[in-house]
Amino acid sequence: AQSVTQLDSHVSVSEGTPVLLRCNYSSSYSPSLFWYVQHPNKGLQLLLKYTSAATLVKGINGFEAEFKKSETSFHLTKPSAHMSDAAEYFCVVSYNTDKLIFGTGTRLQVFP
Amino acid sequence: DTGVSQDPRHKITKRGQNVTFRCDPISEHNRLYWYRQTLGQGPEFLTYFQNEAQLEKSRLLSDRFSAERPKGSFSTLEIQRTEQGDSAMYLCASLTTGGATTEAFFGQGTRLTVV
Repeated sequence: AQSVTQLDSHVSVSEGTPVLLRCNYSSSYSPSLFWYVQHPNKGLQLLLKYTSAATLVKGINGFEAEFKKSETSFHLTKPSAHMSDAAEYFCVVSYNTDKLIFGTGTRLQVFP
Repeated sequence: DTGVSQDPRHKITKRGQNVTFRCDPISEHNRLYWYRQTLGQGPEFLTYFQNEAQLEKSRLLSDRFSAERPKGSFSTLEIQRTEQGDSAMYLCASLTTGGATTEAFFGQGTRLTVV
């Protein structure tokens, strides 16, 4: 079955330190991969997407993710966390432009 | 504003009543999705349309749920005989297929509370 696993339900970092949110997908064909962010009481917003072009994908707000086929991973990183990054982050996979499959989410907390 | 609008934003209903939600996707988007999100969980797929054709329904979607997209534009999701377990945020998303994969744009959602 197609699936995506977010390895951490909660991640806490201090402002100014790096962020790493981990995501693994089930290996099948060539996936499209996305990271979405959801701030409290706000809609889902796309951070970045991988669609079989460059394996290192840059997104908005300084986030980036690297597609590693050998590890079936698509981890999200940011060099320096900002207070405004505190939110819920979802890793999403899609195959052949089929339905989007969401991970269970990672709640990022940023401490001053 | 993503361009996908959902109405209403909030709905409180009594158990056993029927409710209908509407989603207006971005006009040139041929694909439309419905998802359900409960507190602390990721969105769960319910169903999706390619133009007016309903291509897939999740097993989560009981017979009390029905969705339509009559002219390939807006879509409605109806829940009959609501139950407390139906309380959730219902999300709609749209995208266009063909060519390079594009991202899905999500609406703000309709929050349903069944009392």
